[in-house]
Amino acid sequence: AQRVTQPEKLLSVFKGAPVELKCNYSYSGSPELFWYVQYSRQRLQLLLRHISRESIKGFTADLNKGETSFHLKKPFAQEEDSAMYYCALSWNNQGGKLIFGQGTELSVKP
Amino acid sequence: ETGVTQSPTHLIKTRGQQVTLRCSSQSGHNTVSWYQQALGQGPQFIFQYYREEENGRGNFPPRFSGLQFPNYSSELNVNALELDDSALYLCASSGPTGVTEAFFGQGTRLTVV
Repeated sequence: AQRVTQPEKLLSVFKGAPVELKCNYSYSGSPELFWYVQYSRQRLQLLLRHISRESIKGFTADLNKGETSFHLKKPFAQEEDSAMYYCALSWNNQGGKLIFGQGTELSVKP
Repeated sequence: ETGVTQSPTHLIKTRGQQVTLRCSSQSGHNTVSWYQQALGQGPQFIFQYYREEENGRGNFPPRFSGLQFPNYSSELNVNALELDDSALYLCASSGPTGVTEAFFGQGTRLTVV
């Protein structure tokens, strides 16, 4: 069965520290993976997707098919990075059909 | 270009009642997906509508139904409401097949008492 797992409900770091939000998936096929972010009182929005291979707001994520992981990383956390982060997998690679993890709340302290 | 809008923002219903939630898709998007997000959980896929037809469904009972209109807006209907239906309901629109980014609305908070 397709599944996305985010093992940490809460991750708390100090400003300037490195951040890694973990995401593991199970999917029988070629997955398309995303990170969505929800800042306080804002709607869920796309942060990045693995096919773009780009860095957004200093965040990167590499798809590791061997370990079935798609961890989100940032070398130096900023206070404005505090938010809920959701890893998601595109179901049958069709737009809008997403399987989400439970989310990780990132708290960056000054 | 307008974003995805949902109405109402909040709703309180009694167990056993029926509810209709509405979603206007982003300009140029012909696909609408609905999600249920319980407190402390990630969004769960309910179903998707493409060109006014259901195009995939998650693990939700038939009392969850939907519609899509020619202008691509959509409705989510839930009959015989149960207390566990209390959640944030999210609508997301996306473009033609092959474009996989989904744009989300702000959600409708449904409370069943």
